[in-house]
Parts: sequence; C-alpha cells; structure tokens
Amino acid sequence: EAQVTQNPRYLITVTGKKLTVTCSQNMNHEYMSWYRQDPGLGLRQIYYSMNVEVTDKGDVPEGYKVSRKEKRNFPLILESPSPNQTSLYFCASSPHPDSYEQYFGPGTRLTVT
Amino acid sequence: ELKVEQNPLFLSMQEGKNYTIYCNYSTTSDRLYWYRQDPGKSLESLFVLLSNGAVKQEGRLMASLDTKARLSTLHITAAVHDLSATYFCADRDYGGSQGNLIFGKGTKLSVKP
Repeated sequence: EAQVTQNPRYLITVTGKKLTVTCSQNMNHEYMSWYRQDPGLGLRQIYYSMNVEVTDKGDVPEGYKVSRKEKRNFPLILESPSPNQTSLYFCASSPHPDSYEQYFGPGTRLTVT
Repeated sequence: ELKVEQNPLFLSMQEGKNYTIYCNYSTTSDRLYWYRQDPGKSLESLFVLLSNGAVKQEGRLMASLDTKARLSTLHITAAVHDLSATYFCADRDYGGSQGNLIFGKGTKLSVKP
C-alpha cells in the first residue's frame, strides 16, 4: 500500500530535549516536505526536499533541521524544542513538486511543556 | 509577502444548497491546489489546476482558476453532510525555489440537514 508514515503520532516532551520525528514514504517520490498546522494559521511549510541531499527552507524553518540521506526518509529534528513548537506536524511526498499526487502522512501531534 | 487568502473561513450550509469558496493569491503562479481535511485527519488532494481557465469537477465539487484575477473558486453543488470538512487552497512560491507551498487558512464547511 502506497503511504507516508510518521512516528511518533503523539509526543509530549519538555523544553530543550532534542527530538526527531521520522517520515518515510514507499512510493519512490523525489519530493518531500514538512508542514506545521496551527489553529487560525493554517498549514505552513517548514522545510522541503527536491531529492536526496537537496533541502531548502520553507516559510517557518527556525528551530528545525532536516536531512535527506535516503530517498524514502525525511526526518524532522528539533534540537532544542520550545513551547511555541507545540503543533500538529505533517509530512508529505509527491513524485515531483508540481504533481497532483501529493500524499500526506497521518500527522504528529507534538506538545512541548 | 506572498499571500493566499480564502473566504469565507467558516461556512454553515443546509443540505441541498449551493455555495462557493473563494481563494485569492498574490503570486503570478499559473497553478493552484485544493485539499480537503476531515476533523482529526490528514489532508487529501482534491484538485490541481494547471492553467488559466482550468476547470475540474469531482462529484459535487467543481474548482476553477482565473490566473489574470489571481482567483480560484471551489463551487459546491447541492451540498450533502459528507462534504463537511475543512478545505484549503494552496499556491506555490516560484520566486525562490520551486518547492515552497503556501496554504490559505482554510474554510471550515459544515453541512446541516
């Protein structure tokens, strides 16, 4: 089954404790991205990757890091989480940036206390 | 600053009625994306409109794009309860790299019997 998986789905952590949210797709897609969704603000893109070893900043990259060492994986790293990073995070992938077929992961709800 | 603005943000409809959601964007992009999000769920691609005058229809939803007016519409015909969801439009920022997708804040649609 074609899918984008994220782990964990739910996470409660404390300020400053490094964490990684994993994202994996099994469709051999070149393009992957991370979004955060906040009430009243909609979805905002954090980082995206056009291919292996090619990443770029979205609208709200501050406080986040990403890497794309393999085509299927695109982890999101919070080196020192803060409460303002409490949000719902989505990973997405598509064959290329303009593709109609954009697949979203199930989401990761992160709470930073 | 690149903007994507939807209106209305909240829409309560009766079953059987018609209504239109509007999406204004500020870029010179010739393509526009529509997504649906059910409560507590991830996002699902609905339409991608690839050129001026493009019109796409699926079931009771029809989307159109006017690149000269920088306006896309999502028209709902004879609404049914199953259409209750939040609808997002999104534009792509071609000013920098190709990957930055900018979402509107979403229109929360509630269809009542």
